[in-house]
Amino acid sequence: VQLVESGGGVVQPGRSLRLSCAASGFTFSAYATHWVRQAPGKGLEWVASISSDEVNKYYADAVKGRFTISRDTSRKTMFLQMNSLRAEDTAVYYCARDPGFLERIFDYWGQGTLVTVSS
Amino acid sequence: DIQMTQFPSTLSASVGDRVTITCRASQNIIRWLAWYQQRPGKAPKLLISKASTLESGVPSRFSGSGSGTEFTLTISRLQPDDFATYYCQQYNSNVVTFGPGTKVDI
Repeated sequence: VQLVESGGGVVQPGRSLRLSCAASGFTFSAYATHWVRQAPGKGLEWVASISSDEVNKYYADAVKGRFTISRDTSRKTMFLQMNSLRAEDTAVYYCARDPGFLERIFDYWGQGTLVTVSS
Repeated sequence: DIQMTQFPSTLSASVGDRVTITCRASQNIIRWLAWYQQRPGKAPKLLISKASTLESGVPSRFSGSGSGTEFTLTISRLQPDDFATYYCQQYNSNVVTFGPGTKVDI
């Protein structure tokens, strides 16, 4: 199992960024996937989840209405579209696999991609 | 949302010690609790799910217990690789939440 995030970088407040998570080593369509972030020196914060059938999507209150989670099963890739970015969104963003349809735990993680929101 | 607290926030220990970390939920989460280990600069690693189910490949010196609102993670004999930060996470609802973490250092 391998998860590789990309798309992070420095972005100004109010702008947008799209993160990607490329999956390999497992049947992508059979597992839910998630985004979890960690601000510098802080703890873990769940961001969003998408079920294996892509029907169910859930968001943390802090990002609801600004972030959108999606998947492209044919490309085995998950995305996080982040709009109206704020300084408090600065964090390492991890993608993580769920052990099932939507158990909401994280059994494999990527290495993370850093998003810095600053003017 | 369900709030998670952990204590202690920092724990100083030595190799061979038995250490216990406590996690409390603001409401009954039955046994829907997981524990993760995070070493500096690395992604978290799932240790335990359903409060006490050890994940494949995790050493048996790790154990979890509890139900309802109070849970514990115990490391029976601390090894050098175990110096890390540990997080609990509830998954009783669609909005999952983590505890603030417990740093285990020397």
